[in-house]
Amino acid sequence: GESVGLHLPTLSVQEGDNSIINCAYSNSASDYFIWYKQESGKGPQFIIDIRSNMDKRQGQRVTVLLNKTVKHLSLQIAATQPGDSAVYFCAEKRMNYGGSQGNLIFGKGTKLSVKP
Amino acid sequence: AAGVIQSPRHLIKEKRETATLKCYPIPRHDTVYWYQQGPGQDPQFLISFYEKMQSDKGSIPDRFSAQQFSDYHSELNMSSLELGDSALYFCASSPGLEDYGYTFGSGTRLTVV
Repeated sequence: GESVGLHLPTLSVQEGDNSIINCAYSNSASDYFIWYKQESGKGPQFIIDIRSNMDKRQGQRVTVLLNKTVKHLSLQIAATQPGDSAVYFCAEKRMNYGGSQGNLIFGKGTKLSVKP
Repeated sequence: AAGVIQSPRHLIKEKRETATLKCYPIPRHDTVYWYQQGPGQDPQFLISFYEKMQSDKGSIPDRFSAQQFSDYHSELNMSSLELGDSALYFCASSPGLEDYGYTFGSGTRLTVV
């Protein structure tokens, strides 16, 4: 079936380095993608989003890249800090053609560990 | 700013018991989504409501039901609980059709023993 998934389950980086977390999606009709950060025992926290009519979007220390040709999404975190340690999920929004907003389909998370 | 409020934060139930989880969306958000997240798993979509009507249904077991009330809060009712129902249950809310914002609550951790 259709799915959103991640290439790497774990990523370990040195403090101050840049981190790149990747995600592949299979539903070419999806029009909106979100990256979430989830700390242990907490709810997903919004990081950055991107619509399908864009290929890049930048936030504070984070950049999301969307390649629709190969259905690939990435999250880049600049100057990674210990506080960035968490599990990161990409999510794909699928439109509900009944009229409401579509629900989010999450990919498998990547655990980011930042070494001081 | 007000966030999505879920209650209770923790819940312990025995097998075959029932549980009710509550979700209070951000004010003026009319859409609520429920997700289940098992240990080490990604959140799985269960069900959603828009303007008090069910809008979409995911992998929600028949033992579970949910509804959205006139004040837009939602309740997830779980019956005949099984050990495998132990998970984090998240609620998210979003405003109307033209805004893509989703905000998640802190979740309810359900443990079935």
